[in-house]
Amino acid sequence: EADIYQTPRYLVIGTGKKITLECSQTMGHDKMYWYQQDPGMELHLIHYSYGVNSTEKGDLSSESTVSRIRTEHFPLTLESARPSHTSQYLCASSESKGQEKTYEQYFGPGTRLTVT
Amino acid sequence: KNQVEQSPQSLIILEGKNCTLQCNYTVSPFSNLRWYKQDTGRGPVSLTIMTFSENTKSNGRYTATLDADTKQSSLHITASQLSDSASYICVVSDRGSTLGRLYFGRGTQLTVWP
Repeated sequence: EADIYQTPRYLVIGTGKKITLECSQTMGHDKMYWYQQDPGMELHLIHYSYGVNSTEKGDLSSESTVSRIRTEHFPLTLESARPSHTSQYLCASSESKGQEKTYEQYFGPGTRLTVT
Repeated sequence: KNQVEQSPQSLIILEGKNCTLQCNYTVSPFSNLRWYKQDTGRGPVSLTIMTFSENTKSNGRYTATLDADTKQSSLHITASQLSDSASYICVVSDRGSTLGRLYFGRGTQLTVWP
C-alpha cells in the first residue's frame, strides 16, 4: 500500500469558488505529479515537480496551479472553479532508479471534483 | 504521435475463467511498459513493469508479455476472481526526456461475474 494521501476524496462546489486539493506522501519521493482523468478516458498529466521549488506544466493545459514548498506536500489550487473543471484528480509520486527510468509511480486515491 | 491503444474496451467473464487483455503502442523511444489495475474510484496500482529486454513478467495470477519489435503487450489473468473486476491500464514510458513521460491507454474495463 502506497503512503500517498489525497483530501478531500469528494468535493462538490459552486462556480467561482477557490479550491485547493491536498496531496501528501511520506515516502520521501522527489518527483510528484497531478493527473486529470475523466470517466472511461486516459489519465492526462497536468502538473509535475522534480523537487522542492520545482513545478512544471504537463501535457494537458490546465487553469490550476501547484506549489512544492515541502518534499512531502504538493497541493493543487483552482482560483475560480468552473463546471468544466469537473473531473477526477489523481496525485502520484516517484523516485528515479538507475538509468532506465524504471521508477515506480505510486498513486493516491484521487479527488472527485464536481463544480455546479 | 505517441499513443497507447488497448483492446477490448470492456470484457465480462465468469469467475474462475482466464482472460487476456491487449495493448499496442507507438511510443518512441521506448523505455518501459507497465500494467496498472484501477478499482472504481481509486488510484491505479502497479501490477508489472517491463523494460525493452524483458519478454514476460508475472505477479501472482497476472502475467504480462512484451514484444518490443511489434510494439505489443498483453496481460493474462488466470483463474479470475470477483476482486479482479477493475480497469486495467497499459502505460508506456519514453526515454526521450528526463521525466520519462508516461503515456496512458484508456484501459480495459473487466467485470468478473460469479
